[in-house]
Amino acid sequence: AQSVAQPEDQVNVAEGNPLTVKCTYSVSGNPYLFWYVQYPNRGLQFLLKYITGDNLVKGSYGFEAEFNKSQTSFHLKKPSALVSDSALYFCAVRDTGRRALTFGSGTRLQVQP
Amino acid sequence: DTAVSQTPKYLVTQMGNDKSIKCEQNLGHDTMYWYKQDSKKFLKIMFSYNNKELIINETVPNRFSPKSPDKAHLNLHINSLELGDSAVYFCASSQLGGGSGELFFGEGSRLTVL
Repeated sequence: AQSVAQPEDQVNVAEGNPLTVKCTYSVSGNPYLFWYVQYPNRGLQFLLKYITGDNLVKGSYGFEAEFNKSQTSFHLKKPSALVSDSALYFCAVRDTGRRALTFGSGTRLQVQP
Repeated sequence: DTAVSQTPKYLVTQMGNDKSIKCEQNLGHDTMYWYKQDSKKFLKIMFSYNNKELIINETVPNRFSPKSPDKAHLNLHINSLELGDSAVYFCASSQLGGGSGELFFGEGSRLTVL
């Protein structure tokens, strides 16, 4: 079975500061890992993914994520937060044998001006 | 051009009624999904079709019936609606064959059962 944990319901950060949104996963095979963002009353938008290769992956809007196999983590990061980054962020995982993504519970990011 | 479009965006209906939500994707993907997002924002897979074949059917009441007339369309019909069916239903598509399987989502259909 595959699962994802996002331990923080909410993350607060001041504009201009770095941000981190945490994610840990559990899969039986090799993981495919994803981050999505959801703005109010909208669908989920794909930010970035890790399939294989370099542990640091870069995505849309200046976001990046670091894959750590030993810690089974895939934390989302951004060097300098913007107020417009305030949204709900979902981590998701798929192992190679499964044909759907399993999502975490979501983390609300609040960036204060 | 909207990649994954679903209609209607809002449905408000009475308990016991039947309703349908339609979804279309123009990305040429081979797989389509229905996810349910509850009031706490949890997202749960309901169904998936790959090239018109049902490949995922999670523990969902049989009042919910998906139909895929072709690989670009996946509809969801719900019979005898209950209060607990109130949620936002998201359609998504992905390319599983030869792809990494990231999902592309529609804007959601908010169902309110009174």
